[in-house]
Amino acid sequence: QVQLVESGGGVVQPGRSLRLSCVASGFTFSSHGMHWVRQAPGKGLEWVAVIWYDGSNKYYADSVKGRFTISRDNSNDTLYLQMDSLRAEDTAVYYCARETPRGVDYWGQGTLVTVSS
Amino acid sequence: DIQMTQSPSSLSASVGDRVTITCRASQGIRNDLGWFQQKPGKAPKRLIYAASSLQSGVPSRFSGSGSGTEFTLTISSLQPEDFATYYCLQHNSFPWTFGQGTKVEIK
Repeated sequence: QVQLVESGGGVVQPGRSLRLSCVASGFTFSSHGMHWVRQAPGKGLEWVAVIWYDGSNKYYADSVKGRFTISRDNSNDTLYLQMDSLRAEDTAVYYCARETPRGVDYWGQGTLVTVSS
Repeated sequence: DIQMTQSPSSLSASVGDRVTITCRASQGIRNDLGWFQQKPGKAPKRLIYAASSLQSGVPSRFSGSGSGTEFTLTISSLQPEDFATYYCLQHNSFPWTFGQGTKVEIK
């Protein structure tokens, strides 16, 4: 069955960096675009970034553009989110999600990032 | 960017009630819309894709309709396990955008 497992969250000071990972299993990872979506505590869902199945295209939300970088390693079925220059407003649970031609279907369980001094 | 306006932001309903949630897109998105259910501390779960297609394994009391700019999620007979927050998501163009969410609470 499809599984997505995020890791790498934690507490980090403002201005510092963190890298999230999402390990995929149960499907052909290299055939699917992948997304990151986040949710601040008590708030709604916010789309963050997407990467094409082969890594050839990437798009970002304006709120993270220039600070976050999405990437993937298809040989290891792993998606990444490099987060630099972190701000308090980046505090959220970060989910990875699998893309299909009809949007996203499966989501991971999320990993919490807390930006605080 | 496409704005998704979801209403209501919350509602109180009883078991057995019919519930309707609406999402309005700021421009036409064809049927590039999904509906998600989220329970506290859990990841979102897709209920509907392509505006009106039921995700495999989802009870048939959930249905979606609409195209273009107006979309509706209907729960025909609310069950205890349906109390949750619901979101629409447009995937017509980047940046993808979610509705603000609708929290369905027990009356």
